[in-house]
Amino acid sequence: DTAVSQTPKYLVTQMGNDKSIKCEQNLGHDTMYWYKQDSKKFLKIMFSYNNKELIINETVPNRFSPKSPDKAHLNLHINSLELGDSAVYFCASSTLAGAQYFGPGTRLTVL
Amino acid sequence: TQLLEQSPQFLSIQEGENLTVYCNSSSVFSSLQWYRQEPGEGPVLLVTVVTGGEVKKLKRLTFQFGDARKDSSLHITAAQPGDTGLYLCAGAKTGGSYIPTFGRGTSLIVHP
Repeated sequence: DTAVSQTPKYLVTQMGNDKSIKCEQNLGHDTMYWYKQDSKKFLKIMFSYNNKELIINETVPNRFSPKSPDKAHLNLHINSLELGDSAVYFCASSTLAGAQYFGPGTRLTVL
Repeated sequence: TQLLEQSPQFLSIQEGENLTVYCNSSSVFSSLQWYRQEPGEGPVLLVTVVTGGEVKKLKRLTFQFGDARKDSSLHITAAQPGDTGLYLCAGAKTGGSYIPTFGRGTSLIVHP
């Protein structure tokens, strides 16, 4: 059974489009996250949701919006995609102790 | 300023050699994690250290948390090609909600 899953695995789209990435965890964790990993492999946190409440929002453009329909899901919606949005996006979940469990990643390419 | 500094950034060694990766900070952490990431996959948790001075072993991997909980090291004995990957340390500062921050990673290549 996959602990943290995200779809799609690959996403290729044109500038200006709107796209969504879905994430689901079956670990029963209270907190879920979205990370962006750039070409230099630096992993930067974008959002965190705890019990459906946003508790972190780093300096991320408001074109990015997390949506959590329930504790097991945290989706990422991106409006008006730009070239600089190209990266690998990871969903993760964690216990209060902080250990992160990551999904397989979504490689976004904006043309 | 990067909260967690990892060194070295790159490491290329032969099978059978030993190596140590360092994760340093001027801040105190309530806990610190080490992850390994392979190409095309997400990071996978290796260990969590919580207590200052703590040492944990995972087969040929030894993890140490500094006494002051500001730094950590990962030592691999007799490295194997299967150890190849990106090693990441991550932690959260003491107090308040858990807000994770990651080091920039150490890219390890073990040649057969």
